Amino acid sequence: GESVGLHLPTLSVQEGDNSIINCAYSNSASDYFIWYKQESGKGPQFIIDIRSNMDKRQGQRVTVLLNKTVKHLSLQIAATQPGDSAVYFCAETPNRDDKIIFGKGTRLHILP
Amino acid sequence: GAGVSQSPRYKVAKRGQDVALRCDPISGHVSLFWYQQALGQGPEFLTYFQNEAQLDKSGLPSDRFFAERPEGSVSTLKIQRTQQEDSAVYLCASSGQTGDTEAFFGQGTRLTVV
Repeated sequence: GESVGLHLPTLSVQEGDNSIINCAYSNSASDYFIWYKQESGKGPQFIIDIRSNMDKRQGQRVTVLLNKTVKHLSLQIAATQPGDSAVYFCAETPNRDDKIIFGKGTRLHILP
Repeated sequence: GAGVSQSPRYKVAKRGQDVALRCDPISGHVSLFWYQQALGQGPEFLTYFQNEAQLDKSGLPSDRFFAERPEGSVSTLKIQRTQQEDSAVYLCASSGQTGDTEAFFGQGTRLTVV
């Protein structure tokens, strides 16, 4: 079935370096793609979203890139900090009034 | 309240017991979602309300799962005759406007069926 998934279950990054978390999706009908951050014992927290008619969107220290040709989504975190340690989920939704479908997640470890 | 509130935070149920999980969304939020998250997995969609109307319940795994939101605010997810495979974290999320992808999640209820 159609799903959203991630390439790597774990990513380790040196503090201060940039992090890149990747995601492959298969539902070409999705109109919005979203990144969530989930810390241990907490619910997912919205980071940033991007609409399918865009290929790049920037937030505070984060950038989301969308490549519809290869159905690839990535999250870039600049100057990674210890507080960025969490599981990151990409998610997609057909439209803004519909359910959000989550992928499996990538755990980001920050090395001192 | 300031955020989405879920109760109880933890629930241990004996197999066969019925449980009720409560979600208090952010005041005024129209959309409410329930998700199930197994250990090490992403949240799986269960059901979605817009005000009091249940618009999508395609993710409910069986007829033992039932959700309601009678007055368009607080929602309850009920699981009847719990089984071990129901053990998971149940997450509730709400969003303020139709057309808003920024859903706010509660901390979840961790259900353990023994």
